[in-house]
Amino acid sequence: DVKVTQSSRYLVKRTGEKVFLECVQDMDHENMFWYRQDPGLGLRLIYFSYDVKMKEKGDIPEGYSVSREKKERFSLILESASTNQTSMYLCASIGGNRPYEQYFGPGTRLTVT
Amino acid sequence: AQKITQTQPGMFVQEKEAVTLDCTYDTSDQSYGLFWYKQPSSGEMIFLIYQGSYDEQNATEGRYSLNFQKARKSANLVISASQLGDSAMYFCAMTNNNDMRFGAGTRLTVKP
Repeated sequence: DVKVTQSSRYLVKRTGEKVFLECVQDMDHENMFWYRQDPGLGLRLIYFSYDVKMKEKGDIPEGYSVSREKKERFSLILESASTNQTSMYLCASIGGNRPYEQYFGPGTRLTVT
Repeated sequence: AQKITQTQPGMFVQEKEAVTLDCTYDTSDQSYGLFWYKQPSSGEMIFLIYQGSYDEQNATEGRYSLNFQKARKSANLVISASQLGDSAMYFCAMTNNNDMRFGAGTRLTVKP
């Protein structure tokens, strides 16, 4: 069964903390994505990766970095969390036998206080 | 970067009627893919339908069809025979060159 997992469903962090959001897919997909979802703004692309160690900035990369050391794992890093990074974070992957479908993880709701 | 526009923040439809959700996109590429996703209140993203830019026929999946008008750069989702369970957020998205971007979404409410 197709599966994308994220390390936490809910996370509360303090301003200035370093935050790691992990995403793992078990489908051997090449492309992985990180989005944040805010009411009225839809899903905004933060970063994406099309291969191990390759990464590209999306529309809102400021304040974030990513790591793709292994094909199955794509990590989103908030170097110094701020309250405006409170959001729902969604990871996704695409590839394999059905490149026309993108698989999403369940999301991580991050609150920065 | 390409841009996806959904101009309807909210829509209402009577149960059993058809509804069209609008989506326009902007890209200079010839090869791209268009998607629609449904997000119910539970938060999961559910893939509905896909249309490739070179597909000659409009995509259909059960009660969902995609009205693809390439020259107008529109990819509207048509839901036939609406059901109460169709009430959700709907997102249009486009992919090309390894990335994928979404519109702001339309909240559909089906009235009994």
